[in-house]
Amino acid sequence: GAGVSQSPSNKVTEKGKDVELRCDPISGHTALYWYRQSLGQGLEFLIYFQGNSAPDKSGLPSDRFSAERTGGSVSTLTIQRTQQEDSAVYLCASSLVGLAGVHTDTQYFGPGTRLTVL
Amino acid sequence: AQSVTQLGSHVSVSEGALVLLRCNYSSSVPPYLFWYVQYPNQGLQLLLKYTSAATLVKGINGFEAEFKKSETSFHLTKPSAHMRDAAEYFCAVTLGHQLIWGAGTKLIIKP
Repeated sequence: GAGVSQSPSNKVTEKGKDVELRCDPISGHTALYWYRQSLGQGLEFLIYFQGNSAPDKSGLPSDRFSAERTGGSVSTLTIQRTQQEDSAVYLCASSLVGLAGVHTDTQYFGPGTRLTVL
Repeated sequence: AQSVTQLGSHVSVSEGALVLLRCNYSSSVPPYLFWYVQYPNQGLQLLLKYTSAATLVKGINGFEAEFKKSETSFHLTKPSAHMRDAAEYFCAVTLGHQLIWGAGTKLIIKP
């Protein structure tokens, strides 16, 4: 597609429910990233995919968070048993293949999913 | 460890005045640096990036930034502010495949 798309744009859920957030990267981009942006704060790295593999999951805040990517394209971020502190905007970005170890390629961001946990 | 500090959570300038948004970084290796802009209710958009070529980097919408290794800075400037520049600006530095982000600076333009 023309840009990174994310769905849903807004999600309101009750504490304890599971949610799935979807990201469609730019066609041909092999690298995909998930970030979280909490109110008044910068972005927090969650996970990075190269193809369907996730060589870096170090930013996932707990084992309630998981992500997968299929076909080297669409990615889903799942949050189980949501808590109020999970409320944030979840951003997805994609980029072309980066150089091994150092990524200078521009990351293109989607509009985000605003998650509110009541 | 890499980190980014943006001085001033809010910066207010008059329309037509100089815009200066400050970014200082710490990095144990030569850094790659980025400025992104986030307009209200929109996604992040790349303004410019430094990847060890020219130290003065020109970006979109008349913005530019200068990499100063001695000062570990990458400040963003624009000679003349326009109302449409009102947005939040984020500075970021690479850490491998991650981007490490500053907390952001909200630019307010006074008519």
